[in-house]
Parts: sequence; structure tokens; C-alpha cells
Amino acid sequence: SQKIEQNSEALNIQEGKTATLTCNYTNYSPAYLQWYRQDPGRGPVFLLLIRENEKEKRKERLKVTFDTTLKQSLFHITASQPADSATYLCALGRTGGYQKVTFGTGTKLQVIP
Amino acid sequence: DAGVIQSPRHEVTEMGQEVTLRCKPISGHNSLFWYRQTMMRGLELLIYFNNNVPIDDSGMPEDRFSAKMPNASFSTLKIQPSEPRDSAVYFCASSSGGTAYGYTFGSGTRLTVV
Repeated sequence: SQKIEQNSEALNIQEGKTATLTCNYTNYSPAYLQWYRQDPGRGPVFLLLIRENEKEKRKERLKVTFDTTLKQSLFHITASQPADSATYLCALGRTGGYQKVTFGTGTKLQVIP
Repeated sequence: DAGVIQSPRHEVTEMGQEVTLRCKPISGHNSLFWYRQTMMRGLELLIYFNNNVPIDDSGMPEDRFSAKMPNASFSTLKIQPSEPRDSAVYFCASSSGGTAYGYTFGSGTRLTVV
């Protein structure tokens, strides 16, 4: 069955460092991958979408990579700030008719001042 | 734009009661999704509407759950009768491009069934 794995343990990182979060998947051939940020008591907020034919995408301090051979996406936050502390979710989907977008369970990031 | 609006924010109800959750999607978005989030299972898609028509309801747990979208600006998720295992945060999300684009989520309804 399809499986999406994100580190269930929280990631603690010092302010100013680069945070790297991992999204691995099995039994799945996604056409695209999305990353969301979720703060406590709030809904997820869309950050970035990367398609299978794109190796990397950037948005301000965010960078996402997508390796379909390794079946992995990496999400980087450079020059991390305490305000970046949140849970980050990856979501995978396919195109070509309707296919469900499947979410990972998320990784909690804590940026320490 | 006020974003996706959900009501109520919190709902506490007794087992066996009917619960109705409401959602107003972003104007112009033609796709609407209902999700349920729990610690154990994460975000699970319950039902997906496109242009007010239910496209995929395979995630609806059982017949106790039903969803409607009578027009482009309103959707409801109803649980009747409610059970303690239905306790979760229910999110509504909308999108302008189907599943291949980012979703805009509401703030959710935290449901507690006692």
C-alpha cells in the first residue's frame, strides 16, 4: 500500500542554521509534491508545489527538491528563525484524471533562539 | 478575501447527537475538500467536490457521515449519530485548480463527542 514517511520526531535546530526536513514515499509514483506549514490550532498553509520533472524549486528562504529515483523530497529552510517553528506536512498527488492527494503526518520543527 | 470559513470552531456534543459542520470556500474556487485530522492517522480526505458535485467520497467512514454542497459558496458535513471515535479536527479546504494545485484550508472545527 502507499506510504508516506516524515520524521515523527521533532527536529530542533539553532536559529540561523538550515533546517532540512525529509519526505519519503513507497508504492507511489507521484506527479507532484506539495509542502504545507501547520501551526497549532490552525489549518495547513500551502507553501510550495514541485512537479516530477522539476528537480528543485525555491521560494525566498525555502527550497524543495524532488528525487523520483530515491522516492524522496527534501524541504530546506535557510537562515531559520524562531517564527519558522511549526509542523511541516508533505502531500503527494498524481495527475491524469482525479487522484487523491495523500498527506504525510508531518514533522514538527522547533527553531531555538 | 476572508479565506475558507468554517463554523463552528469548537463543538462538544453527546454521543448519539447529530452534528453539522459548515464551510464557505473561497469565491471562485471550484474544488472543495473535507479532511479529518487526528494524531494517529494525520490528515485523511473524507470527500471531494468539484463544481458542487461529489467526485470522491470513498474516505467517508460510514453511512453516519454525509456531505452536501448545494451551491458554490456553501458545504456541510453531517454526522448522525455521532460517536466518541468521531472526535477529531475537521478541515475544509478549497482550490481553484483541482488536485494539482495548493489547497487553502480553513481553521478547522474541533469536534469532541462525549
